[in-house]
Amino acid sequence: EPEVTQTPSHQVTQMGQEVILRCVPISNHLYFYWYRQILGQKVEFLVSFYNNEISEKSEIFDDQFSVERPDGSNFTLKIRSTKLEDSAMYFCARKRQANEKLFFGSGTQLSVL
Amino acid sequence: GENVEQHPSTLSVQEGDSAVIKCTYSDSASNYFPWYKQELGKRPQLIIDIRSNVGEKKDQRIAVTLNKTAKHFSLHITETQPEDSAVYFCAASEKLVFGKGTKLTVNP
Repeated sequence: EPEVTQTPSHQVTQMGQEVILRCVPISNHLYFYWYRQILGQKVEFLVSFYNNEISEKSEIFDDQFSVERPDGSNFTLKIRSTKLEDSAMYFCARKRQANEKLFFGSGTQLSVL
Repeated sequence: GENVEQHPSTLSVQEGDSAVIKCTYSDSASNYFPWYKQELGKRPQLIIDIRSNVGEKKDQRIAVTLNKTAKHFSLHITETQPEDSAVYFCAASEKLVFGKGTKLTVNP
């Protein structure tokens, strides 16, 4: 299973602050995804990203969320103004091609106080 | 959109017994069905997957079956071991719509 690195592993922030979560790229991986998992609940799809643009997003992914991958660097998830209910584990996932297996990163535990 | 239901939510078996977890999906266009194992505090790990062009797939003690007509798929674990204890999630479609998970406990 390929290593998918995310930074930071833990993030504590105050409500209303902006946070940026990062997923370290592998050069031949073209498809990127963000998921979140509230403690004790299922994994929820947020957004998929291919060819430098969003290919699909869920209802959770509202205007407070954005993703980007500038110039082949880290794939990032930004939450502009965090809310208490944004507290969750956020997983990045990626694959090389469309019909390949999807592997998850180690996750970022976000705590909004 | 796709909706995935998973049952049971908890499952307790004795070591050596078999465990079966079942999922149903709603979108007939979905053609990819993976299963993930998640240990406490860790990432989901892919354990087996199946595409809609096959009805069954096996990997050692783990097997998955798919019934496209009925829109359900199942995970079968034989000869369970204590280290199989975890939460198991089914998912459907390429973007992965997950079920709510099954907490499997294997008692020694």
